[in-house]
Amino acid sequence: DAKTTQPPSMDCAEGRAANLPCNHSTISGNEYVYWYRQIHSQGPQYIIHGLKNNETNEMASLIITEDRKSSTLILPHATLRDTAVYYCIVRDGNTGTASKLTFGTGTRLQVTL
Amino acid sequence: GAVVSQHPSWVICKSGTSVKIECRSLDFQATTMFWYRQFPKQSLMLMATSNEGSKATYEQGVEKDKFLINHASLTLSTLTVTSAHPEDSSFYICSARGLGGRATGELFFGEGSRLTVL
Repeated sequence: DAKTTQPPSMDCAEGRAANLPCNHSTISGNEYVYWYRQIHSQGPQYIIHGLKNNETNEMASLIITEDRKSSTLILPHATLRDTAVYYCIVRDGNTGTASKLTFGTGTRLQVTL
Repeated sequence: GAVVSQHPSWVICKSGTSVKIECRSLDFQATTMFWYRQFPKQSLMLMATSNEGSKATYEQGVEKDKFLINHASLTLSTLTVTSAHPEDSSFYICSARGLGGRATGELFFGEGSRLTVL
């Protein structure tokens, strides 16, 4: 039970912003939204996470709606190397417990020339 | 970010043999490690959670006697696939979580180990 819904695939032109949506309508108050990506035949790579405020780092921005039922990962200037499967995951924010990551099917982002 | 290393990155073995995969946290102490399995074109499936110094907790449907997990130190967990068969061929990925320091609470993943059983 992945608790999130993502489109199976998306295309994006190189240099453009890639906006990847995620629905998590059953998210609870102590659950964070995490984004990971997996490039073919590699382990998942952490991108960003947030609770309720928008977050930005060197890789991406995370926009979380006010009701927290959905979020959008934004890659501001997509490159060919951003082609990967992107996973949106909700996870218990209590780091005192062995809170595991449950992966859904993710969104396969294809960046094209 | 913190570094998690897996070894070997790929292995080919004969049916019936056992294969050990190592997962090391290189620059932090990992109190908890997770083992995942990924079949082609599918998502990662959690197999088990291991805590240093205690028995692993297996997910439903994962045979604990077939997939032996040992987490004997704060930087090393091993997964042994016993009596491997072709259907065990998969991409095995570990992740590690630390407490304190730069790896507080976050999960970092290894590069994965591809097992092919002939």
